[in-house]
Amino acid sequence: AQSVSQHNHHVILSEAASLELGCNYSYGGTVNLFWYVQYPGQHLQLLLKYFSGDPLVKGIKGFEAEFIKSKFSFNLRKPSVQWSDTAEYFCAVSNNAGNMLTFGGGTRLMVKP
Amino acid sequence: GAGVSQTPSNKVTEKGKYVELRCDPISGHTALYWYRQSLGQGPEFLIYFQGTGAADDSGLPNDRFFAVRPEGSVSTLKIQRTERGDSAVYLCASSLGSGRSNEQFFGPGTRLTVL
Repeated sequence: AQSVSQHNHHVILSEAASLELGCNYSYGGTVNLFWYVQYPGQHLQLLLKYFSGDPLVKGIKGFEAEFIKSKFSFNLRKPSVQWSDTAEYFCAVSNNAGNMLTFGGGTRLMVKP
Repeated sequence: GAGVSQTPSNKVTEKGKYVELRCDPISGHTALYWYRQSLGQGPEFLIYFQGTGAADDSGLPNDRFFAVRPEGSVSTLKIQRTERGDSAVYLCASSLGSGRSNEQFFGPGTRLTVL
C-alpha cells in the first residue's frame, strides 16, 4: 500500500522568505508524484506533477519540486513566497495506473505581509 | 467551461438517516473519483468510475457506502444509516480518461455533518 507523510502541519513565513515543504512517500513500485494546493475558499488544484525524467519539476506560480528516489522524497520549494501563497498544500502519490491518489495530511502555509 | 460541481454544498443530517451526495463532472470526462476528507487530514480515496462501472471501490469503508454512475456522467454517493464518524467533506474529481497522464479536477466538495 502507498502512503505519504508531510512533516510540517503548519508553516508561518514572512513575504519574500524561501519555502520548502517536506513530503516522503512509501510505495514499492513506480510512482507518480503530485503537489496540490487549496487556496482559502477554493477547490483543490494541481500545482505540479512528476512522472519520469528530470527529477526537478517546475510548476505554476514559481513553485518547483525535486524527486529524490533514494530518499523517497518529493519536497516542494519556492525561493520567495508571497502573501497570495497562503493556502494548504497536499503532496500525493499514485501508482502507475494513476487511478487513485493517496494524499498526505497537508501543510497549512500562512504568509505574513 | 464549467468545472466539477457538487450538490449540496452542505448537508446536515441525523445519525441513522440516509443521504445522497451528487457530483456533476466536467463534460466529456469519462473518469470520476470520490474522496473523503476528514478534519485536519488529506483526502482519502473512496471509489473510481471509468464510464458507468466502478473500476475500483477499494476505498469504500463499509457496505453502508455505495456509489452509482448510471449514464457515465453524473454520480451519486449514497450513505445509509449515517454515523457521526461519517462527518467529513466529500470530494468528487473527474478526468478526461483514466491513467496517470490525466489530471484529476476537483469539485468544491459537500460538507456532511451527522448529528
